[in-house]
Amino acid sequence: DSGVTQTPKHLITATGQRVTLRCSPRSGDLSVYWYQQSLDQGLQFLIQYYNGEERAKGNILERFSAQQFPDLHSELNLSSLELGDSALYFCASSSLSGYQETQYFGPGTRLLVL
Amino acid sequence: GENVEQHPSTLSVQEGDSAVIKCTYSDSASNYFPWYKQELGKRPQLIIDIRSNVGEKKDQRIAVTLNKTAKHFSLHITETQPEDSAVYFCAEGYEKLTFGTGTRLTIIP
Repeated sequence: DSGVTQTPKHLITATGQRVTLRCSPRSGDLSVYWYQQSLDQGLQFLIQYYNGEERAKGNILERFSAQQFPDLHSELNLSSLELGDSALYFCASSSLSGYQETQYFGPGTRLLVL
Repeated sequence: GENVEQHPSTLSVQEGDSAVIKCTYSDSASNYFPWYKQELGKRPQLIIDIRSNVGEKKDQRIAVTLNKTAKHFSLHITETQPEDSAVYFCAEGYEKLTFGTGTRLTIIP
């Protein structure tokens, strides 16, 4: 157990809908990262937040947005969902903001868009 | 970093033999190279990492080598065991991490 929690574990929804994925980092960690892992694909970095502020951005679609709250938990919002958004979404946390910090991954949220 | 190529995509080795996975990258500014292991249905976990100021790092049966001139780095697992079966991801970092597409390693008992 890495100490990073994600809810829900599974999510099934329809095209065009909007969902929110939630992540709680390890106690004391200030950075949260979001990744998308599609079937047989690697991990695609979406976005990083550090202490409430956006720190780095990857290949995140405009339909996706995220934020980090004062209690340091983070939410990833996915809207106007398409079939291709079906994937495993991981969040990870690290103690500081640097990309060289060890990232601890949560168990993931498996999203299925029908 | 923008592009990381990882080879092979699948690898089967006999238990006790060594396994080698290679990654190449394109961004010469990259200076951090972690390796993650992801068992079936589980989260990725960091197993070893290397920074650009060293050429090799070992941790028991696992080692990573880095050639900054050629822009490639490799994961070496010796004396493989069945529990080494997993998908392994390399990554390279400069401001953010870019992951390779993974290698599915199967250890044959």
